[in-house]
Amino acid sequence: DADVTQTPRNRITKTGKRIMLECSQTKGHDRMYWYRQDPGLGLRLIYYSFDVKDINKGEISDGYSVSRQAQAKFSLSLESAIPNQTALYFCATSEGLAGAAGYNEQFFGPGTRLTVL
Amino acid sequence: RKEVEQDPGPFNVPEGATVAFNCTYSNSASQSFFWYRQDCRKEPKLLMSVYSSGNEDGRFTAQLNRASQYISLLIRDSKLSDSATYLCVVTRGGTALIFGKGTTLSVSS
Repeated sequence: DADVTQTPRNRITKTGKRIMLECSQTKGHDRMYWYRQDPGLGLRLIYYSFDVKDINKGEISDGYSVSRQAQAKFSLSLESAIPNQTALYFCATSEGLAGAAGYNEQFFGPGTRLTVL
Repeated sequence: RKEVEQDPGPFNVPEGATVAFNCTYSNSASQSFFWYRQDCRKEPKLLMSVYSSGNEDGRFTAQLNRASQYISLLIRDSKLSDSATYLCVVTRGGTALIFGKGTTLSVSS
């Protein structure tokens, strides 16, 4: 079984609808992240969480919200979807910092392809 | 200037070729560096970390030049299975990873 799972894998919705993307992990990692990927723009960070009580905005958080329900679960919500939120969304996890300056590998889920009409 | 910039692609090479990818980053405070690989429509996966002393993993060699804020990835004896997009990644402070847009490699027989 995959260590990081995302549901749904594909979703088509209409403008103005509320959408929730879910991420679960069995790796036991404290840190979880949500990214979106657009052609020509690369991966961009939406939100991240370093533990259950910690939520931080990334570079493109407008129009999104998140919930860290448990160590293993991190959900991304689009309160009122708009067409320019059409993208491939990835959840990722990692362990905490590897020492004072180190950084640990991020493990990605398989992605959710979201289309907003 | 974008925080992480990579060579524009695509790179089209024959099997057995040696190919090099370059990446520059703008934040001198970046502390950790990586190359990730992403296959078409798949999730990114770590290829290798990049250390100041340079590091090698089989056919792959990564180099870091902190003074020039430059990272490279060399692939020797390219295989068909190396075809993918390679993402240069740096840290921003103590928060999260910043990804370059990626360079696409296509290896042909």
